[in-house]
Amino acid sequence: AQSVTQLDSHVSVSEGTPVLLRCNYSSSYSPSLFWYVQHPNKGLQLLLKYTSAATLVKGINGFEAEFKKSETSFHLTKPSAHMSDAAEYFCVVSGRTSGTYKYIFGTGTRLKVLA
Amino acid sequence: DAGVIQSPRHEVTEMGQEVTLRCKPISGHNSLFWYRQTMMRGLELLIYFNNNVPIDDSGMPEDRFSAKMPNASFSTLKIQPSEPRDSAVYFCASSLDAHRQFYSNQPQHFGDGTRLSIL
Repeated sequence: AQSVTQLDSHVSVSEGTPVLLRCNYSSSYSPSLFWYVQHPNKGLQLLLKYTSAATLVKGINGFEAEFKKSETSFHLTKPSAHMSDAAEYFCVVSGRTSGTYKYIFGTGTRLKVLA
Repeated sequence: DAGVIQSPRHEVTEMGQEVTLRCKPISGHNSLFWYRQTMMRGLELLIYFNNNVPIDDSGMPEDRFSAKMPNASFSTLKIQPSEPRDSAVYFCASSLDAHRQFYSNQPQHFGDGTRLSIL
């Protein structure tokens, strides 16, 4: 069975400082992993995805994530936070359940960016 | 390039009324998902269609909820009769064939949701 754990429900950073949002996963085989961002009153927007081609994945808006199999982690980082990064972030693992690949969502991390 | 389109964006109605939510998936995508998002329960998968056929409706809360996909470009989620506890944001998402392992790493694309309030 697949599962995903987002280790922080809230993260606060100052504008211009690095962002780290943590995600651990559990999967019985090579997983597909995604990070999504949700701004207020909007749908989920794909930031990046891991597809086993490269362990360091670059996404949109300067975000990147590193897949570490030994640590079963897929943490999301950004070198310098911008005010517009304030949103909720979801880590997702795509798992096969009853013959279908479904998304298993983390509980979300709300990122606050302080001026 | 049009994304997933949902309507209406907001719906406010009284308890007992019928509610119909609509979704147009991305052209070429043959898997469609309906989700519900609440503060208490987060994101929940309600139902999943593949090639217009409902594959998994185990997340549908009860018989008051029904979903259809009459063709590849349109789906509806209906609640009848509606209750205050149905208040939530309902999202539709589409992707390439989620049934096939080849596409297991293809992302789902989400609409902006319908914010439903049942008074």
